[in-house]
Amino acid sequence: DTEVTQTPKHLVMGMTNKKSLKCEQHMGHRAMYWYKQKAKKPPELMFVYSYEKLSINESVPSRFSPECPNSSLLNLHLHALQPEDSALYLCASSQESGGNTGELFFGEGSRLTVL
Amino acid sequence: DAKTTQPNSMESNEEEPVHLPCNHSTISGTDYIHWYRQLPSQGPEYVIHGLTSNVNNRMASLAIAEDRKSSTLILHRATLRDAAVYYCILFTNAGKSTFGDGTTLTVKP
Repeated sequence: DTEVTQTPKHLVMGMTNKKSLKCEQHMGHRAMYWYKQKAKKPPELMFVYSYEKLSINESVPSRFSPECPNSSLLNLHLHALQPEDSALYLCASSQESGGNTGELFFGEGSRLTVL
Repeated sequence: DAKTTQPNSMESNEEEPVHLPCNHSTISGTDYIHWYRQLPSQGPEYVIHGLTSNVNNRMASLAIAEDRKSSTLILHRATLRDAAVYYCILFTNAGKSTFGDGTTLTVKP
């Protein structure tokens, strides 16, 4: 199984809602990532988890709250978002978190619309 | 943070080689060079990566300049399925990644 599964595929939420994005992998990978991608732009790194601990936070606003309950799961909790947060949110995983870890496996993303 | 610069777009004919360039003049000594490609409505797909030496795999080759300030992704025989946005990425040992703006490759039959 070489898949990273993201749910939901689409999410529409109001600015006062609380919602979560979920990511799952069963490849035994110890590093997991959240990226944000706006239309016609490259993905931008948000968070990196290594061995279930947050290792990189790219100065992401606190309205985005990541969580790694176990080595196979990664969540992104969303609260009080702004319309400009509408984007494709991509999850990825790799064996380890370093640049020599080789391939990152990406999910297909969760497309978020904030009204 | 180190940055990468790529041409906005390139065209190729089917079954011809394609050379996709990337400049990364501020690369640090331990940064790895990764290439991914992305089709519409899909997540990025790994193509190849390297540190100093040229690399080959079943999908492509990666040629890295001796001073590491640039690299070139080589698709040996482009097919219509290779049409995508190709990203050149610098990856630190800590796991931080910086994507370039990407090159949109069009393959003409």
